[in-house]
Amino acid sequence: AQSVAQPEDQVNVAEGNPLTVKCTYSVSGNPYLFWYVQYPNRGLQFLLKYITGDNLVKGSYGFEAEFNKSQTSFHLKKPSALVSDSALYFCAVRDGGQGNLIFGKGTKLSVKP
Amino acid sequence: DTGVSQNPRHKITKRGQNVTFRCDPISEHNRLYWYRQTLGQGPEFLTYFQNEAQLEKSRLLSDRFSAERPKGSFSTLEIQRTEQGDSAMYLCASSLSGVVGYTFGSGTRLTVV
Repeated sequence: AQSVAQPEDQVNVAEGNPLTVKCTYSVSGNPYLFWYVQYPNRGLQFLLKYITGDNLVKGSYGFEAEFNKSQTSFHLKKPSALVSDSALYFCAVRDGGQGNLIFGKGTKLSVKP
Repeated sequence: DTGVSQNPRHKITKRGQNVTFRCDPISEHNRLYWYRQTLGQGPEFLTYFQNEAQLEKSRLLSDRFSAERPKGSFSTLEIQRTEQGDSAMYLCASSLSGVVGYTFGSGTRLTVV
């Protein structure tokens, strides 16, 4: 069965520092991987996805993610964090051919000034 | 393109009452998904439509839950005889066949008292 794991419940970063939010996956076959962000009492906003091709995927708001097949990881990164990046981040993997996603539990990112 | 619209944004209901939520997808999107998100968890897949056909239902979708998409446009999710455990954010998402990934609405937050 497909699954994703986000090992950190919370990540704390100082504004201007680089940030990494971790995600590992378990799939049969080629993975379709996603990152979404959720602000309080809001739905999920798409950040980026990996389907095939370059291992470094660039997304919205300056975020990028690195696909690592040998480590089965898809970590989200940003070179310089902003206070406004503080939110809940979800990693997801597509489950089968119909397109529904399996989400991790989420990682709360807190960026302090 | 006005995005995925969900109504109402919030719903408070007494235990045992029936509730209905509405989702209006992006107009050209033929796929529509419902997810449920409880506090501290990632969204969990409930059901999926392609046009008006309901193609997949999660085991999470008990007999008290029913979803429809009668004309292949908007969808409704009804919960009968609500229980406190139904309290959650209900998220709708839509996509186009052949496009990997989708757009979420802002969700309907249900509180059962």
